[in-house]
Amino acid sequence: QSVLTQPPSVSAAPGQKVNIPCSGSSSNIGNNYVSWYRQFPGTAPKLLIYDDKKRPSGIPDRFSGSKSGTSATLGITGLQAGDEADYHCGTWDSSLSIWVFGGGTKVTVL
Amino acid sequence: EVQLVQSGAEVKKPGESLKISCGASGYTFTTYWVAWVRQMPGKGLELMGLVNPDDSETRYSPSFQGQVTISAERSINTAYLQWGRLKASDTAIYFCARLRAVRSSFDLWGQGTLVTVAS
Repeated sequence: QSVLTQPPSVSAAPGQKVNIPCSGSSSNIGNNYVSWYRQFPGTAPKLLIYDDKKRPSGIPDRFSGSKSGTSATLGITGLQAGDEADYHCGTWDSSLSIWVFGGGTKVTVL
Repeated sequence: EVQLVQSGAEVKKPGESLKISCGASGYTFTTYWVAWVRQMPGKGLELMGLVNPDDSETRYSPSFQGQVTISAERSINTAYLQWGRLKASDTAIYFCARLRAVRSSFDLWGQGTLVTVAS
């Protein structure tokens, strides 16, 4: 059971927008930065969003991050077939004094 | 090139010991903490622990405390994850990752090491 809660899967048609929620508590998301990672099958995760809403160099602005209270959201606009992957949220947990992740969400492009 | 390169896949028997590695290049190894992350088949990411290559300070997730040992050798820019006695339930892919800042994010990942434990 992951500390952060994500839906197992989300789907949308090409060109549409998808939102991936990540729910936590005041000890993690509520008081610490959230980051998001994309993972294609058989490969390592890659940083997509850090510090709640910042994008590393090279990440297109189709990807966005937001946070409200103890929940965070990754948004992907202009969905493409190449966006099919697993997406993971992560953050520091001040009570556990360690990093925690969500269970991951599989994005399917219909 | 800035990268983390991990050692190759391993097949072991229950009860055997194992040490896998993560070599850093292209940046100052001692500047960033390094984490080990487990991904069991079909599952999410689990942080096992962290090591500060500058002074070898380690922090473990409660679930992994006492089960594994994380270390680093700054002279050769390498972090390690080791087991004393492997179990079948240790079968997973293990990633090392660079921590951009303690409460920020993991901005660089190794390619992963598949560890299979079977009799």
